Amino acid sequence: GDSVTQMEGPVTLSEEAFLTINCTYTATGYPSLFWYVQYPGEGLQLLLKATKADDKGSNKGFEATYRKETTSFHLEKGSVQVSDSAVYFCALSDRGGSNYKLTFGKGTLLTVNP
Amino acid sequence: DTAVSQTPKYLVTQMGNDKSIKCEQNLGHDTMYWYKQDSKKFLKIMFSYNNKELIINETVPNRFSPKSPDKAHLNLHINSLELGDSAVYFCASSQDTRLNEQFFGPGTRLTVL
Repeated sequence: GDSVTQMEGPVTLSEEAFLTINCTYTATGYPSLFWYVQYPGEGLQLLLKATKADDKGSNKGFEATYRKETTSFHLEKGSVQVSDSAVYFCALSDRGGSNYKLTFGKGTLLTVNP
Repeated sequence: DTAVSQTPKYLVTQMGNDKSIKCEQNLGHDTMYWYKQDSKKFLKIMFSYNNKELIINETVPNRFSPKSPDKAHLNLHINSLELGDSAVYFCASSQDTRLNEQFFGPGTRLTVL
């Protein structure tokens, strides 16, 4: 079945540091890939997505590139802010039977200190 | 206006009770979902409805019964609550079943004592 593996947290960084959160996947089909973010006490929000190989998703300074050859979709940001503190989820959407389903990684807690 | 809303936000109850969580979306979406997030933040889909029809049921105990009176609402009823049901339950919606983007509600934190 489909699965998503992302780096274990928690990750603690200082403001303006470089961020990488690794994500790899296994899928039976050709999935779309997503990063969702969950701020404290809130639901998940879509951060960025990519639907085919070599696509780069970007939003709010975050980027991730769909790498089919390495089955990866690593999240990066050049300079994190305190307001980026949240849980980040990598996810894939694949078609199982007649329906699409989102499969999530276990989430990575990011804390950014001033 | 809140796109996906859930009530209640917090629910504390005793083992063995029956409770319901309500979800409404005002986005005009066709597809709605229920997810369970455990204490380690792991998120797993439970159910999905498309135009009031159940399309995904992920090996959830039959104590959990979703109901969709119309495509803007998806409620979750839980019978005979158990300690292991304690979690945060998220409702979500998407335009259709192709899952280009899901919009999540704020969550309902269920605590079973």
